[in-house]
Formats: sequence, structure tokens, C-alpha cells
Amino acid sequence: NAGVTQTPKFQVLKTGQSMTLQCAQDMNHEYMSWYRQDPGMGLRLIHYSVGAGITDQGEVPNGYNVSRSTTEDFPLRLLSAAPSQTSVYFCASSYSRASSGNTIYFGEGSWLTVV
Amino acid sequence: AQSVTQLGSHVSVSEGALVLLRCNYSSSVPPYLFWYVQYPNQGLQLLLKYTTGATLVKGINGFEAEFKKSETSFHLTKPSAHMSDAAEYFCAVSERTGNQFYFGTGTSLTVIP
Repeated sequence: NAGVTQTPKFQVLKTGQSMTLQCAQDMNHEYMSWYRQDPGMGLRLIHYSVGAGITDQGEVPNGYNVSRSTTEDFPLRLLSAAPSQTSVYFCASSYSRASSGNTIYFGEGSWLTVV
Repeated sequence: AQSVTQLGSHVSVSEGALVLLRCNYSSSVPPYLFWYVQYPNQGLQLLLKYTTGATLVKGINGFEAEFKKSETSFHLTKPSAHMSDAAEYFCAVSERTGNQFYFGTGTSLTVIP
């Protein structure tokens, strides 16, 4: 089973460049989200979606953009990369919204370095 | 907003010793509670979760956690540590209303042979 698939796994960007982190899930999950993981700060929510066409901001949305045109895909766009965006990014999905108590499943992560 | 506190960013135990990782949440209404494990360079995997019912929850790899409402806690334990338990552990909650999961800052577990 594929589960949650993220690409690319590793990426190096120059300051000011833009890029898209891809995320796809094959579990027909309504809820999808993006987190960044930084040392000592745990996981911080960037953006989330409760269904196709619906997105909302999390704790640290600045500098990132998302869209949800299909149930399966939830790409994360870095508009103009900055060194502060160097991090590990995780896409995650759940059968339905967080208030249902469903488990959230994670991708393998994308390591991004901005120089 | 909900907050999740994991006491101790680094915990070291000897192989065979008890593992105790602490987690406290801030909500006055008991949320849904989760423990995840992250091995190096991997994503997070669910160890166990509490939604309702029995307050002692058993998970994979011999781990268990007990929900204590009076202490707003959900500590993770394992009676006997194995070398393979060395990893980062995250406590997470989701509220019974709302759309977000909240994660603690993680506890890195080292197992000493």
C-alpha cells in the first residue's frame, strides 16, 4: 500500500527560487495537511484541507501556498524560498477532520535546504 | 489553542529498564490523544491512541499509555527497553471540536546497552 507519498525527498534551493512539494494519498482521506519539523520545535502545522476545494492556514503559513483540486493531491508551494524555510516537511492525511479522533498518517518527509 | 507538553527532550534508559515518557495537554475537555514514533530519516508512525473507553491503552512494540483526566496526562511506558526503541517520540492531541492536530516538541529516547 502506498499510503502518503511525498516528492521530492531531498531538494536544495537558492534563496528566492520557488518550488512545489508534492503530496498524494491513495486512502480516500478527506483531511490532508503539511507540517514542518525543526529541531526543538516539534511539528508545526503550515496548512490543512478538510476536502477538495477547501484549505485553511495553520500555525506557520507565511511563505507557503496550497491548493486542493482533488481528494488525492495536496501540493505545497514555496513562493520565494528563504533560508528560514530550511526544514523537513511532512505531509499527513486522515480519514476525516481532527475532531473525529481518526489517526493521522504521515509521509516519509521531504528534506529542503535553502542556501 | 491546545498545547502539548512533553517533559524531557532527551531521555536515556538502560536496556531492560522501564521507559517512561511524559505528556501533558492543556484542554479542559479531554481531547483525543496519540503517541507517535519517528525513527531516523523516516516519517511518524502511530504507536497508540486514546479516543474513549478504557483509559489504559496498549499499542505496538509493547508500549502502553494511560489517560488520566485529573492530571491532564497521557504518559507512555514500556516495562523493558530494547535497543530498537531508540527513536523520537511525539505526543499529539486533537480536540473533539476543530480541525487541527497538535504535537508536542518530542522526546528523543536513547537506550544504553
